[in-house]
Amino acid sequence: QVQLVESGGGVVQPGRSLRLSCVASGFTFGSYAMHWVRQTPGKGLEWVTFISYDGSNKDYGHSMKGRFTISRDNSRNTLYLQMNNLKTGDTAVYYCARGNYYVFDHWGPGTLVTVSS
Amino acid sequence: EIVMTQSPATLSVSLGERATLSCRASQSVSSNLAWYQQKPGQAPRLLIHGASTRATGIPARFSGSGSGTEFTLTISSLQSEDFAVYYCQQYNKWPPLTFGPGTKVDI
Repeated sequence: QVQLVESGGGVVQPGRSLRLSCVASGFTFGSYAMHWVRQTPGKGLEWVTFISYDGSNKDYGHSMKGRFTISRDNSRNTLYLQMNNLKTGDTAVYYCARGNYYVFDHWGPGTLVTVSS
Repeated sequence: EIVMTQSPATLSVSLGERATLSCRASQSVSSNLAWYQQKPGQAPRLLIHGASTRATGIPARFSGSGSGTEFTLTISSLQSEDFAVYYCQQYNKWPPLTFGPGTKVDI
């Protein structure tokens, strides 16, 4: 069965960096686009970023552009999210999700990122 | 950016009753609309895509309808496991992909 497992969350000070990972199993990872979606109590679900199946295309939400970088290693079935210059507003649970025609058909359990001094 | 709104914010229903949830888009999204269910402490789960197509394994009591800017998710006979928060999401025009704020279905 499809499994996605995120890791790398934690507590970080404003302005610092963090890298999240998502290991996929149960499907041909290199055949699917992938996304990161985050959830905060105040703003609900917010799409963060997308990467095409081969990594050639990427897109970002407005507030993440220039600070976040999505990447993937299809040989390791792993998706990454590099987050730089973190702000308190980036505090959220971050989910990786498999993309199927821009619908999120499978989600990981999420990893919590807390940005606080 | 396409803004999604949902109503009501909270829907109180009883077991076995019918629940009707609404989602509205700020501009037409054609039929490029999905619904998700989220239970406490869990990730969202895809219920419906293409406005009306149930995802794999989703019970027939869940149905979606609508097109353009107005959409409805109907749960025909509420079961105990259906008490959750439901989100709609448009994928017609992006970036960004956008979600509604959710409707909580409770007793």
